[in-house]
Amino acid sequence: ETGVTQTPRHLVMGMTNKKSLKCEQHLGHNAMYWYKQSAKKPLELMFVYSLEERVENNSVPSRFSPECPNSSHLFLHLHTLQPEDSALYLCASSQDYGTGGSEQYFGPGTRLTVT
Amino acid sequence: GQNIDQPTEMTATEGAIVQINCTYQTSGFNGLFWYQQHAGEAPTFLSYNVLDGLEEKGRFSSFLSRSKGYSYLLLKELQMKDSASYLCAVRGGNYQLIWGAGTKLIIKP
Repeated sequence: ETGVTQTPRHLVMGMTNKKSLKCEQHLGHNAMYWYKQSAKKPLELMFVYSLEERVENNSVPSRFSPECPNSSHLFLHLHTLQPEDSALYLCASSQDYGTGGSEQYFGPGTRLTVT
Repeated sequence: GQNIDQPTEMTATEGAIVQINCTYQTSGFNGLFWYQQHAGEAPTFLSYNVLDGLEEKGRFSSFLSRSKGYSYLLLKELQMKDSASYLCAVRGGNYQLIWGAGTKLIIKP
């Protein structure tokens, strides 16, 4: 049990659908992250929120839209995705953002398949 | 550019020792992390090095040489449950984490 939960664990969606991924952390952390993990590739950082403010947006297509309503919850809204967006989407949290030794705690991920 | 290199896959025998290397080139350095990720599961934190030298935690040790841009993760007394991917990540000068693609470790009986 890592203290970070994600729902759903698996999602299959068509290219015209709209869906949302949910992440919740129970660790009292101040920073939350969305990552994309594709096979045999490094983790790709998508978005970072620190104290509910977005602090990084790494050139992610607009079909991905994050939302952080409070420090414990993070959403990733998806619409008109492409097949190449199929991947494992990981949520993580850390005590603080931008400090050297603050390790990240990951959720189990959502396996997304776009058909 | 910034990059991290680690072997794609390694194989070792149960009970043996294995060393997984990681080399990096980054703009600035604020620490190096190792994570373990079992298939279908979340990455979990193993170690953090910011100063040169060896950090030991039970069967796992991690070494850092900042001048060489090099780290390794040493796993002793290998167990079947150590079969997993091992991810190296460096916190660069802007404090953003840069991730390697991971090393898949296969343990054979």
